[in-house]
Amino acid sequence: GAVVSQHPSWVICKSGTSVKIECRSLDFQATTMFWYRQFPKQSLMLMATSNEGSKATYEQGVEKDKFLINHASLTLSTLTVTSAHPEDSSFYICSAGSVTSDYEQYFGPGTRLTVT
Amino acid sequence: GQNIDQPTEMTATEGAIVQINCTYQTSGFNGLFWYQQHAGEAPTFLSYNVLDGLEEKGRFSSFLSRSKGYSYLLLKELQMKDSASYLCAVVDSNYQLIWGAGTKLIIKP
Repeated sequence: GAVVSQHPSWVICKSGTSVKIECRSLDFQATTMFWYRQFPKQSLMLMATSNEGSKATYEQGVEKDKFLINHASLTLSTLTVTSAHPEDSSFYICSAGSVTSDYEQYFGPGTRLTVT
Repeated sequence: GQNIDQPTEMTATEGAIVQINCTYQTSGFNGLFWYQQHAGEAPTFLSYNVLDGLEEKGRFSSFLSRSKGYSYLLLKELQMKDSASYLCAVVDSNYQLIWGAGTKLIIKP
């Protein structure tokens, strides 16, 4: 299957700072990338969907000015958590997909964010 | 609204068989996925069904009935490493994945 990487795998930051998470599709071109957040013992919550070269579509309740998403190329999308607060501490997972993969999403390994 | 239901938790014995059910009500249907997620890790793909019937892949099988809005994941010869959450997800008419809350499967020796 296709490989998606995420960096960093974990990060600890102070409240008020910003954190950037990178998501890369290593061996295929991802026309669409998805960003999820998962709190402990809960299911995945879709935050936003981004298509290469266009603005991301955010799910209801997700602040687009706080969670900045950039999908500048077919292999890279970034999520920046701005002015992070302790309640933003979570497991952030990206996935990449293309219409040639029967709408399957290939998940990155996730990034564990802890805001102190 | 769109809704996917699956049991919250199930327990089974090593070596046995377990069936995890998933029912869905979505706006349109373009396929159903099953993913496995171990604690602290990202989901990994198990199966994709778009036509009615049973798809077998080793110890895991997935069944779909579109008329009933129903799917199940069947795990045979359970191993301790199968302890994980199993997520059901449906592709709706807008080609978005709608996720179930997941079923935590606990395997006992």
